[in-house]
Amino acid sequence: DVKVTQSSRYLVKRTGEKVFLECVQDMDHENMFWYRQDPGLGLRLIYFSYDVKMKEKGDIPEGYSVSREKKERFSLILESASTNQTSMYLCASSDRVAGELFFGEGSRLTVL
Amino acid sequence: DAKTTQPTSMDCAEGRAANLPCNHSTISGNEYVYWYRQIHSQGPQYIIHGLKNNETNEMASLIITEDRKSSTLILPHATLRDTAVYYCIVRRPQGGSEKLVFGKGMKLTVNP
Repeated sequence: DVKVTQSSRYLVKRTGEKVFLECVQDMDHENMFWYRQDPGLGLRLIYFSYDVKMKEKGDIPEGYSVSREKKERFSLILESASTNQTSMYLCASSDRVAGELFFGEGSRLTVL
Repeated sequence: DAKTTQPTSMDCAEGRAANLPCNHSTISGNEYVYWYRQIHSQGPQYIIHGLKNNETNEMASLIITEDRKSSTLILPHATLRDTAVYYCIVRRPQGGSEKLVFGKGMKLTVNP
C-alpha cells in the first residue's frame, strides 16, 4: 500500500521556536509538495520539489523553507514560528508522469 | 494559469447520482482536469483525472465537454461516506515539475 507519512499529527509550539515538519514517501516519487490548509481558504501551496536538492516556491512561501536531501524525504521548516502559521500542514508526493497526488494525513500545528 | 470555479456547496440524497460541476474556461490544450476529495480530518484523496475523453473508474465518472471549458464529476450512487469537500483542479506543468493548485473546493453533503 502506497504511503506518505508525516512525522507528527499534532504539534504545539511557542512563538519564535524553530519547527520541523517531516514527510516521507515510499513510492519513489520525484515530486513532493507542502500545502497548508485553513478554513475558508482551501489548500495553498507553500513549496514543492521535483528532485533531490531542488525546490520551487509555491504561492505562500514567506516564513517557510524546505529541505530535500533524499528523494523520499521532504522537510518543511519554520525558522521562527508565528501565531499566523497555526494551520493544518499537508505533504503530498507524485510521480512525474501521472501527476496523481498522494497525501499524508496532515500535521496540525498550533503556535501559541 | 487555468483556474477552476465550483459551487460552494451541494446536497444530494443517498442512493442518487451526485453531479458535481466545474468550470475551467481558460484551460490550455495540454492541461488535465483532476478531481480530489477530502473527508473531514483526513488528507485529500485522488478520485479521477482526464484530458478530453470521458473517464470512468471504480469511484466515479468524469465527463469533459467537447470545448474542455467545463467538466462534471459523477458519483453514480452517492453514500453517506461520500460527504466531503471535492476539489476540481487543473494540472499545470511547470519547468518539468507538476504544480497542482487547489482552490476552495465544493462541499458535498449526502443526506439520508
